[in-house]
Amino acid sequence: AQSVTQLDSHVSVSEGTPVLLRCNYSSSYSPSLFWYVQHPNKGLQLLLKYTSAATLVKGINGFEAEFKKSETSFHLTKPSAHMSDAAEYFCVVSEEGTGANNLFFGTGTRLTVIP
Amino acid sequence: DTEVTQTPKHLVMGMTNKKSLKCEQHMGHRAMYWYKQKAKKPPELMFVYSYEKLSINESVPSRFSPECPNSSLLNLHLHALQPEDSALYLCASSRNSGGGYSNQPQHFGDGTRLSIL
Repeated sequence: AQSVTQLDSHVSVSEGTPVLLRCNYSSSYSPSLFWYVQHPNKGLQLLLKYTSAATLVKGINGFEAEFKKSETSFHLTKPSAHMSDAAEYFCVVSEEGTGANNLFFGTGTRLTVIP
Repeated sequence: DTEVTQTPKHLVMGMTNKKSLKCEQHMGHRAMYWYKQKAKKPPELMFVYSYEKLSINESVPSRFSPECPNSSLLNLHLHALQPEDSALYLCASSRNSGGGYSNQPQHFGDGTRLSIL
């Protein structure tokens, strides 16, 4: 069975400092993993995806994530936070379902950026 | 700008009303999804359409009725809703329809904010 654990419900950083959002997954086989961001009153926007190619994945807006199979982790990082990064972030594992993908969402991490 | 368009953006309705939510995508995706999202929670899957056929219904009450008229459009018909149905309803689409394409991401619209009086 697939599952995702986001270890922090809320992370607060100062503008210009690094961001680390933690995610651990459970999967019975090689997973496809995604990070999505959701700004207030908006839908989910794909930040990046891991699909068994390079373990270090670069996404949009300067974000990247590293897939570590030995640690079953897929943490999201950014070297320098910007005010516009304040949002809700979801770590997601995907499995092939009947006729479509099934997504398993983490509970989300709310990122606050302090000016 | 999102590639999945949802209308209306906001909807307020009484418990006896009938209304519909609409979703449209022109990316050639053949899988489309409806999700319900409550405040401070992740989205919860409601329905999945694959090649215009309903493939998953996650035990959703019959007061929600999905429809997929063609490969670009997805509707959600609402009738006799309850106050607890107030939420953000998200539509998504993806390129695949299973068959080894679990690495294809879902693309989300901005949602319809539904309030039941």
